[in-house]
Amino acid sequence: KAGVTQTPRYLIKTRGQQVTLSCSPISGHRSVSWYQQTPGQGLQFLFEYFSETQRNKGNFPGRFSGRQFSNSRSEMNVSTLELGDSALYLCASSSSTGHNSPLHFGNGTRLTVT
Amino acid sequence: TQLLEQSPQFLSIQEGENLTVYCNSSSVFSSLQWYRQEPGEGPVLLVTVVTGGEVKKLKRLTFQFGDARKDSSLHITAAQPGDTGLYLCAGFRSGYSTLTFGKGTMLLVSP
Repeated sequence: KAGVTQTPRYLIKTRGQQVTLSCSPISGHRSVSWYQQTPGQGLQFLFEYFSETQRNKGNFPGRFSGRQFSNSRSEMNVSTLELGDSALYLCASSSSTGHNSPLHFGNGTRLTVT
Repeated sequence: TQLLEQSPQFLSIQEGENLTVYCNSSSVFSSLQWYRQEPGEGPVLLVTVVTGGEVKKLKRLTFQFGDARKDSSLHITAAQPGDTGLYLCAGFRSGYSTLTFGKGTMLLVSP
């Protein structure tokens, strides 16, 4: 079974630009969550989607948005990039929502904003 | 304020040594998970503990959930270079549906 696939692996953008990151979950998984990982803050929850609906949202500004498609693939978008948005963005999928569904992470997209 | 505090932040040891890393909170968690993340990869789930006082073993790794479900520990016996990585604890706070992560303990095991 293929794992969670995130594309691209690396991105370099300039302040003010916008970026779209993609995540393909494990086949059959309907829940996709996004996390931002930085050395200073660790992993912080961005949002969770299940069956194309946003179920939960973390404490991030409106510049961060996401969506999920009918095939469970998900994208997240960051507009008006700031230097502080430089981070590893991780996507995780699970078969359903809730405490009993383990998360399977992709290897992330490393975003650098200059 | 970090909901889950992990200590130590960094640990550098020799192969064959034993070690314990800690994950503490003032909040009650309905379950706690431990992940290991290697450079350039995403976190991989090692174990989930759900009952206060629960102890789980995974080969040389022993995980314990505190009786009050506010803390957890990970003990590694006879560490090997392959144990090198970032160890993350994460949990579901009682009444919440999102997973909260600690900042992690970076472990380096030298041959």
